Amino acid sequence: GAGVSQSPSNKVTEKGKDVELRCDPISGHTALYWYRQSLGQGLEFLIYFQGNSAPDKSGLPSDRFSAERTGGSVSTLTIQRTQQEDSAVYLCASSRGLAGGPSDTQYFGPGTRLTVL
Amino acid sequence: QQQVKQSPQSLIVQKGGISIINCAYENTAFDYFPWYQQFPGKGPALLIAIRPDVSEKKEGRFTISFNKSAKQFSLHIMDSQPGDSATYFCAARQTGANNLFFGTGTRLTVIP
Repeated sequence: GAGVSQSPSNKVTEKGKDVELRCDPISGHTALYWYRQSLGQGLEFLIYFQGNSAPDKSGLPSDRFSAERTGGSVSTLTIQRTQQEDSAVYLCASSRGLAGGPSDTQYFGPGTRLTVL
Repeated sequence: QQQVKQSPQSLIVQKGGISIINCAYENTAFDYFPWYQQFPGKGPALLIAIRPDVSEKKEGRFTISFNKSAKQFSLHIMDSQPGDSATYFCAARQTGANNLFFGTGTRLTVIP
């Protein structure tokens, strides 16, 4: 596919369980972002990967959240010991990662809707 | 703290009318202002974007107006159509930063 894909599309879990969310960016895009979209809150930045550089983790809300990007492509967002307030849509985006390009367009996937019971 | 403030939260417009969504910011280091459109069940998609060195940018029926001194920018949708019904997000990015700061979104409904 030509776009960003995410899986699963929906995830229901029990409080205290760990979850893994997957993102496949657009081929050739070196930058990858995770955002969280809560009802009525807009999109909240979580983490950013650019090539082989150390990720920008400044948006992660707690140490229960972590993310990896293997081989510069696929990324996995892991939430440990999930809480009800973690319920949200988790969106992944990718971009070309143009150096010095503030207008580098981010392309979003459809998101994973996480519900923590 | 919300870096970009967006209003209104929801908007209902008659077909053919003009839809106007407003955003404001405080951080003068922002230098890129995109608008995203999101349909239910889909991720946001870039609609139009502007840099602060121009006061207006138009693409088809969509126009961004930018007021640097007031630190405000707005999206105008001319001749609004039912297919424009979606949630619209304004956003901003700081020079040298990686992430976008998003507004809280405006749910637009265009009635036939």
